[in-house]
Amino acid sequence: DAGVIQSPRHEVTEMGQEVTLRCKPISGHNSLFWYRQTMMRGLELLIYFNNNVPIDDSGMPEDRFSAKMPNASFSTLKIQPSEPRDSAVYFCASSLPAGREFFGPGTRLTVL
Amino acid sequence: GENVEQHPSTLSVQEGDSAVIKCTYSDSASNYFPWYKQELGKRPQLIIDIRSNVGEKKDQRIAVTLNKTAKHFSLHITETQPEDSAVYFCAALKGNFNKFYFGSGTKLNVKP
Repeated sequence: DAGVIQSPRHEVTEMGQEVTLRCKPISGHNSLFWYRQTMMRGLELLIYFNNNVPIDDSGMPEDRFSAKMPNASFSTLKIQPSEPRDSAVYFCASSLPAGREFFGPGTRLTVL
Repeated sequence: GENVEQHPSTLSVQEGDSAVIKCTYSDSASNYFPWYKQELGKRPQLIIDIRSNVGEKKDQRIAVTLNKTAKHFSLHITETQPEDSAVYFCAALKGNFNKFYFGSGTKLNVKP
């Protein structure tokens, strides 16, 4: 099993540009989570899906952030327009119901 | 919702000594408690977990204890080694809801 796959691993963009982060969960896992990690705020849950349906998006900071899960094997997190304060490491994770959660390698986003 | 508090925020020990990190949770319905280790620049990795029907679990040098009455759980690392240096996160998962609530992390430094 390849584990949770994220792309890109690093993204550098300019303020105002659209950023799309991608995630492929572990096959068979039906819960998917997007987290943001910064030194100041630690690990924050942005949104999570069960069976491709968004369950809780209360952590999404503002309307510039959106997430989709069109099928069981793919999810995107989009930031439009991006701002320097969005710079962080974004992790995707997946799990079975009430099961162990496994993290992807993360995407390090830098917004200039 | 659930509230997970983790202490201490930083911990420095001498190689060979034991380290203990403590977490408390607020919702008695929480029933699954994982611990993650995050090395610098890497993803959080699950190192041990415990479910609410068990009071203690051990895996080599690491152990986790759970006190459901007091709503707290702890990570114990014995015979610490420099490679144990990392940030450790506790988390709690509630019943049928698949949302993980993370503690704020403990930075462990093992001095050789």
